[in-house]
Amino acid sequence: AQSVAQPEDQVNVAEGNPLTVKCTYSVSGNPYLFWYVQYPNRGLQFLLKYITGDNLVKGSYGFEAEFNKSQTSFHLKKPSALVSDSALYFCAARQLSGGYQKVTFGTGTKLQVIP
Amino acid sequence: ETGVTQTPRHLVMGMTNKKSLKCEQHLGHNAMYWYKQSAKKPLELMFVYSLEERVENNSVPSRFSPECPNSSHLFLHLHTLQPEDSALYLCASSRTANSGANVLTFGAGSRLTVL
Repeated sequence: AQSVAQPEDQVNVAEGNPLTVKCTYSVSGNPYLFWYVQYPNRGLQFLLKYITGDNLVKGSYGFEAEFNKSQTSFHLKKPSALVSDSALYFCAARQLSGGYQKVTFGTGTKLQVIP
Repeated sequence: ETGVTQTPRHLVMGMTNKKSLKCEQHLGHNAMYWYKQSAKKPLELMFVYSLEERVENNSVPSRFSPECPNSSHLFLHLHTLQPEDSALYLCASSRTANSGANVLTFGAGSRLTVL
């Protein structure tokens, strides 16, 4: 069974500093990996995805993620954090199951950017 | 708006009530999903519909009853719920259910409180 782990419930970072939100996965075969963000009172919004190709994936709002197959990780990064980046971030993995693509989400990491 | 609309946004119901959650998408997507979001837990996939046919029923109690009358609308009928069913219920859609690269588009959610 596939699983996604986000080891940190919360990450605090000062505005302007680089940020990293960690994610590790366990899937059989080639993983399809995603990051979603959830702002208060909103649904999840897609940020970026890794399907194949370059290990560094660029997404919305200046975010990027690095796929590391040997460490089974897909950490989300941004060079310079903004206060508006404060939100709940979910890592997800997608795998074929029973004829459809099943998406497994992590527990989420709350990012707090401090002015 | 993300293209997926959920109503109502907030619902308070007693354990003996019957209510329904509604989801509507105008993205031309063929797959629709119900997820349950509880604090500190991964998103739980409840139901998946592909072209109005249910393809996944993820061991969800029968007090939750989905209905997909067409590819644009999805309902979740609720009856005799328990307090532990209180959560944010998220609807999502994707172009198809069986392509790994597909991105999920989420609604803002329906916050359900069971008294």
